[in-house]
Amino acid sequence: GAVVSQHPSRVICKSGTSVKIECRSLDFQATTMFWYRQFPKQSLMLMATSNEGSKATYEQGVEKDKFLINHASLTLSTLTVTSAHPEDSSFYICSAQARDRGNNEQFFGPGTRLTVL
Amino acid sequence: TQLLEQSPQFLSIQEGENLTVYCNSSSVFSSLQWYRQEPGEGPVLLVTVVTGGEVKKLKRLTFQFGDARKDSSLHITAAQPGDTGLYLCAGEASGKLIFGQGTTLQVKP
Repeated sequence: GAVVSQHPSRVICKSGTSVKIECRSLDFQATTMFWYRQFPKQSLMLMATSNEGSKATYEQGVEKDKFLINHASLTLSTLTVTSAHPEDSSFYICSAQARDRGNNEQFFGPGTRLTVL
Repeated sequence: TQLLEQSPQFLSIQEGENLTVYCNSSSVFSSLQWYRQEPGEGPVLLVTVVTGGEVKKLKRLTFQFGDARKDSSLHITAAQPGDTGLYLCAGEASGKLIFGQGTTLQVKP
């Protein structure tokens, strides 16, 4: 149990376009989902915390108007990179906390590789 | 800002050698996790330590949480090529995970 999927796994887009990444909890309900960004040979950096039915909380330095997060249901959160530029190319990873586990364990998705040309 | 200093960042050793990875912070964490990540994949949880001084073993891997819950170590005995990967520590604070810089381990046959 506790499987998290991401779609797409890889995406290539042109500069100036927008890209949507989906994060789904497949076999549990997630009250909270997290979005991370990872540059090559670096660690995971938290971008934002997403709670179902409310606005996301962004970390310092992350532009909320550029990285739109929607958490419309207990099993789905989406991250939209608007007007993408080459410097947005990165590995985006989501994680989800189970609603009924009684702890804060995060289950990670497999990541989405975004390349902006 | 809470930081986790992870060291070393890169480690290349021969099969059969032992190694230790360290995570240190000036902050107290409610728990600390160790993950392993393969290229192009999400991190996979290895262990969670919660109690100060706690030691957990997972086959050849030994994890320790410092008494003050500010630091942790991962010790691998008799490393094998299959242990090659990126190892990440992450401290939990206020419901968020703070990741260390990661340790890239290469075990040569």
